[in-house]
Amino acid sequence: GQQLNQSPQSMFIQEGEDVSMNCTSSSIFNTWLWYKQDPGEGPVLLIALYKAGELTSNGRLTAQFGITRKDSFLNISASIPSDVGIYFCAGQLLETSGSRLTFGEGTQLTVNP
Amino acid sequence: DTEVTQTPKHLVMGMTNKKSLKCEQHMGHRAMYWYKQKAKKPPELMFVYSYEKLSINESVPSRFSPECPNSSLLNLHLHALQPEDSALYLCASSQLATWEEQYFGPGTRLTVT
Repeated sequence: GQQLNQSPQSMFIQEGEDVSMNCTSSSIFNTWLWYKQDPGEGPVLLIALYKAGELTSNGRLTAQFGITRKDSFLNISASIPSDVGIYFCAGQLLETSGSRLTFGEGTQLTVNP
Repeated sequence: DTEVTQTPKHLVMGMTNKKSLKCEQHMGHRAMYWYKQKAKKPPELMFVYSYEKLSINESVPSRFSPECPNSSLLNLHLHALQPEDSALYLCASSQLATWEEQYFGPGTRLTVT
């Protein structure tokens, strides 16, 4: 089956620093999605990317859909304590039966005030 | 509005109990999903309903029984569960459109004793 390699697994940074994480796949996806999950809560969609090469921002977040359709990165600028959580990338294939997400293993982000 | 609601928030049940998890969305989405998530791991797909019909069953044990009474509601009936079934159960929904995004609910934390 398809697998996503997400890195790094964890990051410990100081407040105000920039953060970068990425996902790579051996397969092509239609869409890349980035989610953030707080403990005990469901994943919250941060950014959706639909076209190869697309660069999209959402506040302090910036994400790109790789040209080969096999990778994506997420940058967070000027991190703040509430950025703490687990960030998941997900590659999506749309089928007639529903969209199938393949998740990365997640990046645990810790921000020290 | 991109809200998916789930009840209950927490559930503790014995191995001989029967219980149900409920999920609701009012975004007009035509696909709904059940996921199981263990701590610090990505969500794992269990079932997909597309246009109120079960379209994907990821070889889930029969002690989990999904039901989609209408396009806004999704249930997961639980019977004779095992302690290893303890996890966060997430519901999600999506439009089944070209620009496809899955939105997750807050989850039900299930503990099987």
